[in-house]
Amino acid sequence: NAGVMQNPRHLVRRRGQEARLRCSPMKGHSHVYWYRQLPEEGLKFMVYLQKENIIDESGMPKERFSAEFPKEGPSILRIQQVVRGDSAAYFCASSPVLKGNGEAFFGQGTRLTVV
Amino acid sequence: DQQVKQNSPSLSVQEGRISILNCDYTNSMFDYFLWYKKYPAEGPTFLISISSIKDKNEDGRFTVFLNKSAKHLSLHIVPSQPGDSAVYFCAAGYTGANSKLTFGKGITLSVRP
Repeated sequence: NAGVMQNPRHLVRRRGQEARLRCSPMKGHSHVYWYRQLPEEGLKFMVYLQKENIIDESGMPKERFSAEFPKEGPSILRIQQVVRGDSAAYFCASSPVLKGNGEAFFGQGTRLTVV
Repeated sequence: DQQVKQNSPSLSVQEGRISILNCDYTNSMFDYFLWYKKYPAEGPTFLISISSIKDKNEDGRFTVFLNKSAKHLSLHIVPSQPGDSAVYFCAAGYTGANSKLTFGKGITLSVRP
């Protein structure tokens, strides 16, 4: 059973370009979370999705960021018109159901560098 | 506002000794707490959790203690091994929050052979 798969592992974008980060949850998992880790910081919650639904996007910046989890295919985190401050590690996590202890399985992350 | 605080950025211990990693929180709504371990260039890996109705949870060499009145929890690793060297994140969540977690900044543990 493959773990949470994120790609690409590393992504370099110039300012103003778009970044697309993909996450395939573990098989059988229907809950996906995106977190962002800035340098020297902990992980910060961005968005929680179930298939075809955004459940909680309270951590998403209001502009330029969007996320989806379609019926078929991976979850996508999209950042439009990237700026230097978007440089961070973006982690996706999945869980099969809402686990009472909050446990989720994380991918290896996508390291976005904006130049 | 840092709701989960790991005030010590690093800890170094001798192999075989006990490692104690501390974490404080401010949000009284949190009702479960987790520790994640992270190696460089990898994602966090779940280690152990504790519900707010307990004050201790043990799993092999890892024990988490929760002091609700002090809003403090700690992770004990005994005996510490070189392979335990990693960044340890304390995280917290609460029922009804859709399992989203609030993380501390992490503690870098180094276990010296």
